[in-house]
Amino acid sequence: EAGVVQSPRYKIIEKKQPVAFWCNPISGHNTLYWYRQNLGQGPELLIRYENEEAVDDSQLPKDRFSAERLKGVDSTLKIQPAELGDSAVYLCASSLASVGEQFFGPGTRLTVL
Amino acid sequence: GESVGLHLPTLSVQEGDNSIINCAYSNSASDYFIWYKQESGKGPQFIIDIRSNMDKRQGQRVTVLLNKTVKHLSLQIAATQPGDSAVYFCAENMMGNTPLVFGKGTRLSVIA
Repeated sequence: EAGVVQSPRYKIIEKKQPVAFWCNPISGHNTLYWYRQNLGQGPELLIRYENEEAVDDSQLPKDRFSAERLKGVDSTLKIQPAELGDSAVYLCASSLASVGEQFFGPGTRLTVL
Repeated sequence: GESVGLHLPTLSVQEGDNSIINCAYSNSASDYFIWYKQESGKGPQFIIDIRSNMDKRQGQRVTVLLNKTVKHLSLQIAATQPGDSAVYFCAENMMGNTPLVFGKGTRLSVIA
């Protein structure tokens, strides 16, 4: 069974540029999460989806970050414009239900120059 | 490979020895706890979990201990192997639908 797929694995951009990350969760998983992991820290939740509905986006910086999960399957996370402080690993995870075990993808390492 | 973190607490153990990784959690209302293993360039991987109505749970080569009085969680790895080298995170939440909160990681380095 394929795990959570993320792309790209690495992205280097200049500040003020836009960037987008894509995630395909494990088949059948209704709940999808986006996390940000800064160097030396644990992941921090940005947004959680139940199917296509964002049920917890309280930690998402809405002035520059947006996310969507239009058909309740794959999801994209966008930053526009990117700032130097956005450099981090962006992790996607999925679970069967909101209280189930979360399975993480490999992440996208973003470097903003 | 990539480094998950450069300034993490590090535990170095000899291959074959037992490892104990500790975590102080923050929310006394948390009732569910998980240990994750994160290797370089990969996402966190579930190891073992425990609910607050238990104080010990065992898996294959791993044991999690929970002390709710002092809000302390530990992960014990028996007969540590080189493949156990990674960063380990504890995470907590309340099963009633709250976000998973990760603690600071510990880097485990196994000396062959």
